[in-house]
Amino acid sequence: GAGVSQSPSNKVTEKGKDVELRCDPISGHTALYWYRQSLGQGLEFLIYFQGNSAPDKSGLPSDRFSAERTGGSVSTLTIQRTQQEDSAVYLCASSLDSGGSYNEQFFGPGTRLTVL
Amino acid sequence: RKEVEQDPGPFNVPEGATVAFNCTYSNSASQSFFWYRQDCRKEPKLLMSVYSSGNEDGRFTAQLNRASQYISLLIRDSKLSDSATYLCVVNKGKLIFGQGTELSVKP
Repeated sequence: GAGVSQSPSNKVTEKGKDVELRCDPISGHTALYWYRQSLGQGLEFLIYFQGNSAPDKSGLPSDRFSAERTGGSVSTLTIQRTQQEDSAVYLCASSLDSGGSYNEQFFGPGTRLTVL
Repeated sequence: RKEVEQDPGPFNVPEGATVAFNCTYSNSASQSFFWYRQDCRKEPKLLMSVYSSGNEDGRFTAQLNRASQYISLLIRDSKLSDSATYLCVVNKGKLIFGQGTELSVKP
């Protein structure tokens, strides 16, 4: 079946512009996660959704970052007034549930964001 | 101090070598533990879970020592296709990733 998909695969933008990144999780997965991976670094947790609500937004680096999820499916991550330090690969993952026992998170291919 | 710390790497080994990755975590409330593999410019994929009793999957063996807050991954008889970055991951309600250790297996 289809895996997690993300769009665009690459995005180049100018400093100060807003960008919107999209994630389509695996059908039926209720939990959705956003991570960021900067060059040579590990993955940094940003936010996760259980259904349409976001119980944990603790990883969002600043108020320029926001995310929403509608219909328990597609999620968008928005970065306003982009800065050069926002350049990274933004990865989305989904799992059956975020509850007590672990359910494997499946990752999308990521969006490579470059802020000039 | 990072919550999950790994050997800095990179590891360059010949085919057939045995290679060990080590990882320590700082949060004793961590619930479960994993090794993920990430190929160059690709997304991470689950390699294996890690259990206190130790677990093996073919050439791969994972160990967890909760008292020492230490996780390991051993790869025996390494193959060229094992070349990748290996990420130590701790689940404490959300996944916390180590920085990863790059492995390069040479002919």
